Amino acid sequence: AQKITQTQPGMFVQEKEAVTLDCTYDTSDQSYGLFWYKQPSSGEMIFLIYQGSYDEQNATEGRYSLNFQKARKSANLVISASQLGDSAMYFCAMSPYGGSQGNLIFGKGTKLSVKP
Amino acid sequence: ETGVTQTPRHLVMGMTNKKSLKCEQHLGHNAMYWYKQSAKKPLELMFVYNFKEQTENNSVPSRFSPECPNSSHLFLHLHTLQPEDSALYLCASSQDRLAGGPYNEQFFGPGTRLTVL
Repeated sequence: AQKITQTQPGMFVQEKEAVTLDCTYDTSDQSYGLFWYKQPSSGEMIFLIYQGSYDEQNATEGRYSLNFQKARKSANLVISASQLGDSAMYFCAMSPYGGSQGNLIFGKGTKLSVKP
Repeated sequence: ETGVTQTPRHLVMGMTNKKSLKCEQHLGHNAMYWYKQSAKKPLELMFVYNFKEQTENNSVPSRFSPECPNSSHLFLHLHTLQPEDSALYLCASSQDRLAGGPYNEQFFGPGTRLTVL
């Protein structure tokens, strides 16, 4: 069964510094996608970044980058130059190929707090 | 309106009430989803609709009844709920859950915060 593990319930980072949010996953599929979503206190889930299992390069989107280590089954999110508006819950998710394609399996999330 | 909208944003209901949650997407997508987000738990997928057909029901109790009249609208009808059903209910949409590859970015609405007394 697929599973996403986020071991950091909460993280603090100083404004303008970089922070890494951990995510490990468990799957027997060879093809899958990994996602990170941000959920501010307003509740909406905001898509941040995607990494395909066959992508050789780590995905980057502005200040977000995904440190993909396939052998370790980890997909950590790196946020550079943290801003106060980055304070939110962050969820790692996985989408398998095949019959459940399109279904997202989420981790429990990490609450990031950016200090001024 | 753009993106995915949900109404109401907040709902308080008694266990004997009947209410409905509404979701509308303005993205031209063909797949829509209902998720439940309880405190300290991962998001739980409840229902999936693809081209108006329900393709998944993740063992959701019958007191939750989804309806998808067209690709743009999704409802969740609620009746005789329990206090443990109190949660944030999120709706999402995507292009097509079977469109090639696992890259199937889902766009979420702001959610409905439901409290069952």
